[in-house]
Amino acid sequence: EPEVTQTPSHQVTQMGQEVILRCVPISNHLYFYWYRQILGQKVEFLVSFYNNEISEKSEIFDDQFSVERPDGSNFTLKIRSTKLEDSAMYFCASSWTTGGYGYTFGSGTRLTVV
Amino acid sequence: DQQVKQNSPSLSVQEGRISILNCDYTNSMFDYFLWYKKYPAEGPTFLISISSIKDKNEDGRFTVFLNKSAKHLSLHIVPSQPGDSAVYFCAAGVSNAGNNRKLIWGLGTSLAVNP
Repeated sequence: EPEVTQTPSHQVTQMGQEVILRCVPISNHLYFYWYRQILGQKVEFLVSFYNNEISEKSEIFDDQFSVERPDGSNFTLKIRSTKLEDSAMYFCASSWTTGGYGYTFGSGTRLTVV
Repeated sequence: DQQVKQNSPSLSVQEGRISILNCDYTNSMFDYFLWYKKYPAEGPTFLISISSIKDKNEDGRFTVFLNKSAKHLSLHIVPSQPGDSAVYFCAAGVSNAGNNRKLIWGLGTSLAVNP
């Protein structure tokens, strides 16, 4: 069964450093997303991406965050200067259609900022 | 702003019995709803969904009921099995929101099915 792949599974970084979280969505999917879950809190929407541009972003997704689909297969989330409060589980997801069906998540990257 | 609420953080049931997980929402624009299951250290896994044109959707042991007037949905698992022990998330979205298909999530309910 097709799956969304995220790497690395765990990333530890120093505060102020840049990190890039990588995702390979399902190949025929058109819509791409990043969500995050801070420990003990709800899953929060960060950004959606369609047709090589951001469709919507949340208030969490400030200037420190950016997304890219550099080569037609990878979908990356960059945090330019990490803060302690960026520590969370980051989930990539993709979907093939409108309406939310077929929405598949990766297994996540645990980001720890020290 | 909790548009999707799962008021029970945890639920414990005996194997073979029914598990009922509840979810309430406040945004009347939501027209599709999904349930996800999540094990520790894994991403959410899609379980079952329902659109607002239906009031029930069934898939094997899993049934989702939607009560639009009450803005309430529930997930029934019958019979419950120990392997169902996980955190269950309710999520909702708006299908005609252009190219954005973001989901709004509840906090989750941790289900423990005891042998």
